[in-house]
Amino acid sequence: NAGVMQNPRHLVRRRGQEARLRCSPMKGHSHVYWYRQLPEEGLKFMVYLQKENIIDESGMPKERFSAEFPKEGPSILRIQQVVRGDSAAYFCASSPPSGFSGNTIYFGEGSWLTVV
Amino acid sequence: GENVEQHPSTLSVQEGDSAVIKCTYSDSASNYFPWYKQELGKRPQLIIDIRSNVGEKKDQRIAVTLNKTAKHFSLHITETQPEDSAVYFCAASYGGADGLTFGKGTHLIIQP
Repeated sequence: NAGVMQNPRHLVRRRGQEARLRCSPMKGHSHVYWYRQLPEEGLKFMVYLQKENIIDESGMPKERFSAEFPKEGPSILRIQQVVRGDSAAYFCASSPPSGFSGNTIYFGEGSWLTVV
Repeated sequence: GENVEQHPSTLSVQEGDSAVIKCTYSDSASNYFPWYKQELGKRPQLIIDIRSNVGEKKDQRIAVTLNKTAKHFSLHITETQPEDSAVYFCAASYGGADGLTFGKGTHLIIQP
């Protein structure tokens, strides 16, 4: 059973460019979460999605950031007009369809974004 | 929303000794408390979790205790080994849609 798959693992973007990070949940999982981890810091919740629905995006900046989880294909976290402060590791996690009633979430290997 | 405090931020212990990491949470509705281990450049991996209907859970050298009244929970690692060196994160959730709330992490260093 493949785990949570993220790509790219490493991404370098110039200021002002767009970054797209992709996440495929574990087989059988329909809930996807995105977390951001700044250097030497903890994990900050950004957004929780189910297929074709954003359930909670309270942790995501209102501008430049967006996320989707289409009916077909991976979840995508999109960062427009990147700035140096966006440099971080972005972790995707998934959980089973019974919902987030305390179910375990499993993390992908992360996507490291560097903005130069 | 939930707020999770984790202490200490860095913990250095001699190989073979025990390590204890403590977390407090603010939302009394929280009912699920996982612990994750993250090695440098790697993803966080679940090592143990506890739900609010039990006070203690053990898995070999790792144990977690939960005090619901005081709203704190702790990770205990006995007979520490070099491979235990990593950053450990506690988290809390009430099962709502806003995901796990993580502590800031504890950098555990095992001295040979």
